[in-house]
Amino acid sequence: DQQVKQNSPSLSVQEGRISILNCDYTNSMFDYFLWYKKYPAEGPTFLISISSIKDKNEDGRFTVFLNKSAKHLSLHIVPSQPGDSAVYFCAASISGYSTLTFGKGTMLLVSP
Amino acid sequence: DVKVTQSSRYLVKRTGEKVFLECVQDMDHENMFWYRQDPGLGLRLIYFSYDVKMKEKGDIPEGYSVSREKKERFSLILESASTNQTSMYLCASSLRTGEQYFGPGTRLTVT
Repeated sequence: DQQVKQNSPSLSVQEGRISILNCDYTNSMFDYFLWYKKYPAEGPTFLISISSIKDKNEDGRFTVFLNKSAKHLSLHIVPSQPGDSAVYFCAASISGYSTLTFGKGTMLLVSP
Repeated sequence: DVKVTQSSRYLVKRTGEKVFLECVQDMDHENMFWYRQDPGLGLRLIYFSYDVKMKEKGDIPEGYSVSREKKERFSLILESASTNQTSMYLCASSLRTGEQYFGPGTRLTVT
């Protein structure tokens, strides 16, 4: 049973436009959420996180929104750049626990 | 900067061989993790360790074992490699909770 779902396997966006990557979760115990970015043949790198006490967190071009009632979070990238082309993983955890539960990832392609 | 290193970037082994994948982190993190990444399946946790000599099974531990004799080092062992273990293997480390920091990965091919 998938507890973290990324329903879009891929997304194509033009350079300069907004990229919106979505993630849904089913476990109401999750209270900390993270986004990772992964290039081919490299390990994932941490991008941004959000605690359940917030509904928005911003870091430069990246903003994560959390809607607890809908059990939904999204990552907005504005403006998108070709170097953003990668696979993005959503992950969730429960406070006090070490493990993360990952979604299957969304491949973002930003074209010039 | 946190650094997580893995012993090999690419590895080719034969069916039935014993395979060791090594991971070292330099940030004194308590937790270390082994994942495998397969197309369409995302990152799946194999094993993790929260302290020296301690280990916990993840979601897909079958066919694997682990060893953590020192805090900075976490090894993944394939006792008898099979073709369905061909995958990208990723090691990560973290403090007690929070974000995990990943190594560059080992692309293992079992023929």
